[in-house]
Amino acid sequence: DAGITQSPRHKVTETGTPVTLRCHQTENHRYMYWYRQDPGHGLRLIHYSYGVKDTDKGEVSDGYSVSRSKTEDFLLTLESATSSQTSVYFCAISDSTDRGYGYTFGSGTRLTVV
Amino acid sequence: GQNIDQPTEMTATEGAIVQINCTYQTSGFNGLFWYQQHAGEAPTFLSYNVLDGLEEKGRFSSFLSRSKGYSYLLLKELQMKDSASYLCAVRDLTGGGNKLTFGTGTQLKVEL
Repeated sequence: DAGITQSPRHKVTETGTPVTLRCHQTENHRYMYWYRQDPGHGLRLIHYSYGVKDTDKGEVSDGYSVSRSKTEDFLLTLESATSSQTSVYFCAISDSTDRGYGYTFGSGTRLTVV
Repeated sequence: GQNIDQPTEMTATEGAIVQINCTYQTSGFNGLFWYQQHAGEAPTFLSYNVLDGLEEKGRFSSFLSRSKGYSYLLLKELQMKDSASYLCAVRDLTGGGNKLTFGTGTQLKVEL
């Protein structure tokens, strides 16, 4: 299996506080992604990265920022957490547009904003 | 934009065959993926189609018709462990980034 880990696995935070989720990979894959998964909405793309310091927005990027200073790490920050950001967050990696491997997902982070 | 539709829930009997359909609309189609996701776990890769036709992998097969914007996942000899959510995802190269857009998933329940 691809080496991809997310931390923390679970977090409870208060409204208005900043939160950073970490995704770490050991596969040297170029692409990294952050998705959130909510009932009735499925997986929705928040932000993605196509290289070090190269990032772009997904369909639900408001309230989130990302950084990728090294190939192996992709950080997702909630600047000021809101209850609507309570969700399960998945990081994913992929290596090439030419291969049918799609994504490999991390185990997810369950975030609760109270 | 993209639109991906799949049934919300399906129920089938152990040992039977079930077909999960997915329809999509996209501008820069470059492949369709099926993922399996057990409750509380991450999605895992099942199959990939980029050309029309059927791809078979053991008990699982996936079909694609690009002209119809249609795919199905066929599960044979159902087992209780196949109870899971099945996610259809489309890769669109418009704008770059090897991005996948996911349907909302089909929750399959396998009963005795």
